Amino acid sequence: GAGVSQTPSNKVTEKGKYVELRCDPISGHTALYWYRQSLGQGPEFLIYFQGTGAADDSGLPNDRFFAVRPEGSVSTLKIQRTERGDSAVYLCASSFWPYRDLLNNEQFFGPGTRLTVL
Amino acid sequence: GQNIDQPTEMTATEGAIVQINCTYQTSGFNGLFWYQQHAGEAPTFLSYNVLDGLEEKGRFSSFLSRSKGYSYLLLKELQMKDSASYLCAVSSPKGYGNKLVFGAGTILRVKS
Repeated sequence: GAGVSQTPSNKVTEKGKYVELRCDPISGHTALYWYRQSLGQGPEFLIYFQGTGAADDSGLPNDRFFAVRPEGSVSTLKIQRTERGDSAVYLCASSFWPYRDLLNNEQFFGPGTRLTVL
Repeated sequence: GQNIDQPTEMTATEGAIVQINCTYQTSGFNGLFWYQQHAGEAPTFLSYNVLDGLEEKGRFSSFLSRSKGYSYLLLKELQMKDSASYLCAVSSPKGYGNKLVFGAGTILRVKS
């Protein structure tokens, strides 16, 4: 079946602009995660959805970042008033309900959106 | 706090064995993952340990000691295609969630 998909694959914007990044998880996965990865670093957690609700948004850096998942499937990460420091690869991952299978609680990652803020 | 340490870079020869270490200190623990990430690509799952001991999966094995906050990934019979970044990540539960806390990754270079 299809994996996690993310669009766009690349986004170049100017400082101060608004951007939306989209994630389409694997069908049947109820958990969805957003991470941000800077060059030479591991992914950094941003927010986690269980169904439609944000169960943990402790990783969002500030109130310019917001994410939604209105129907419990596709999610959109929204960044207002972008800054150069927001430039990174934004990764989305999905998994089954976390406690469905403790022996293989794997998160499947999408290819990411590379955001460049000029 | 959350802290995951792994070496920045390693080099090994094709056909050899390499061990990549990871130490962690996290608030909450629900297992440790190893992911492989080729340049410009998404991380892909390699292994998961939630109990102490060794998990073997073909050419890859992963070990966990929860009391020591320590894990390693063992790669045998290295191939050129194994050149990649290897990410150690701890699953940190909050409520029903399981966010992953990643280390910075170990870049493995396999030379012929």
